[in-house]
Amino acid sequence: DGGITQSPKYLFRKEGQNVTLSCEQNLNHDAMYWYRQDPGQGLRLIYYSQIVNDFQKGDIAEGYSVSREKKESFPLTVTSAQKNPTAFYLCASSSMASGRANNEQFFGPGTRLTVL
Amino acid sequence: AQSVTQPDIHITVSEGASLELRCNYSYGATPYLFWYVQSPGQGLQLLLKYFSGDTLVQGIKGFEAEFKRSQSSFNLRKPSVHWSDAAEYFCAVVGASKIIFGSGTRLSIRP
Repeated sequence: DGGITQSPKYLFRKEGQNVTLSCEQNLNHDAMYWYRQDPGQGLRLIYYSQIVNDFQKGDIAEGYSVSREKKESFPLTVTSAQKNPTAFYLCASSSMASGRANNEQFFGPGTRLTVL
Repeated sequence: AQSVTQPDIHITVSEGASLELRCNYSYGATPYLFWYVQSPGQGLQLLLKYFSGDTLVQGIKGFEAEFKRSQSSFNLRKPSVHWSDAAEYFCAVVGASKIIFGSGTRLSIRP
């Protein structure tokens, strides 16, 4: 089955620790995205990548880092600099037909991060 | 600036009743528009999309949406809701290099 997987489903972190959220897709999509979701605020874009070894900051990139060494993988690291990291994190991917990110995004099941 | 507004934070309808969720967008050119649904603790699933052509778009699960350029709207409708439709619904518009999501409308179903 083609799709996007995220792991772990639940993650607990102590203050001051970095944690890495995994996102893998086997849809052969060029573009991948990370969103943060808080109650009542919808989805906010953290980082996105349209090609391997390249990525762009989204609206709330501070305190986060990403890498895109493989087309299939786009891990997100939540660093200790992120002051309020408790949230639901969603990864998504899309094709880049016609060179534009105008195609539907496919979402993973999400990771719920809680800071203790 | 590109934006999406979903004016209703929470809507409750009776099972079997009709549903309309509102979405207004701001975009200079012809927009590409989506409606997604999210069950609690899950990712988002695409219900339908509008790129061009017929302004009435049919989606999965019996949903449809109508694009009205004059009103900058893309409202989601369903003639008869089922208890399983209880979820959060997001409208989205494609921007220059990313998709912009509305803040969502939570739908509750009254038995």
